[in-house]
Amino acid sequence: QKEVEQDPGPLSVPEGAIVSLNCTYSNSAFQYFMWYRQYSRKGPELLMYTYSSGNKEDGRFTAQVDKSSKYISLFIRDSQPSDSATYLCAMSATYNNNDMRFGAGTRLTVKP
Amino acid sequence: GAGVSQSPRYKVAKRGQDVALRCDPISGHVSLFWYQQALGQGPEFLTYFQNEAQLDKSGLPSDRFFAERPEGSVSTLKIQRTQQEDSAVYLCASSLGLGRGEAELFFGEGSRLTVL
Repeated sequence: QKEVEQDPGPLSVPEGAIVSLNCTYSNSAFQYFMWYRQYSRKGPELLMYTYSSGNKEDGRFTAQVDKSSKYISLFIRDSQPSDSATYLCAMSATYNNNDMRFGAGTRLTVKP
Repeated sequence: GAGVSQSPRYKVAKRGQDVALRCDPISGHVSLFWYQQALGQGPEFLTYFQNEAQLDKSGLPSDRFFAERPEGSVSTLKIQRTQQEDSAVYLCASSLGLGRGEAELFFGEGSRLTVL
């Protein structure tokens, strides 16, 4: 079993839909949780960063962490075609991220 | 440049050849990471440098893989006697430092290796 599990999709939604992306993990030491966005043939770029449990909102994006369930989510409101990308969850036990582990990524397509 | 630069962007090697992949991190960044990303998968950790010191190489899949960062800046990932299973995108990332607020990883666009 992998430390971080993420449904690879693909996920296709119409423009304007609310998107929900999720990851589960097994290592209870993880306390820093991130979502990266990766466009085709590009490197990942940091989208959201959350420490421990709770919610964090940034514009159309909301990240949720439930450490008791070892479950994290990313919600995208009013999705746009430009949101079409692969979304990777990542997590680490240390704040300097030298032990960061990624999920497999969920490929999202937002159709106009 | 402003970002992490990797070269070559694309490399085709015959099985058994040696390859070298280069990473130029963001200037002044202390930490440097190498990841391997297979098709349809997330990045898998290979190795980590703090300045010139290789502090963790636990992710290197075999002794055919070797990484160095001799002057604490540019890093090279070398793969000897390449095999087909080495085909992947090799991502380099750097971060500013070790303190809180300095740990965000900035990724390059990757070097895509295809072994025939």
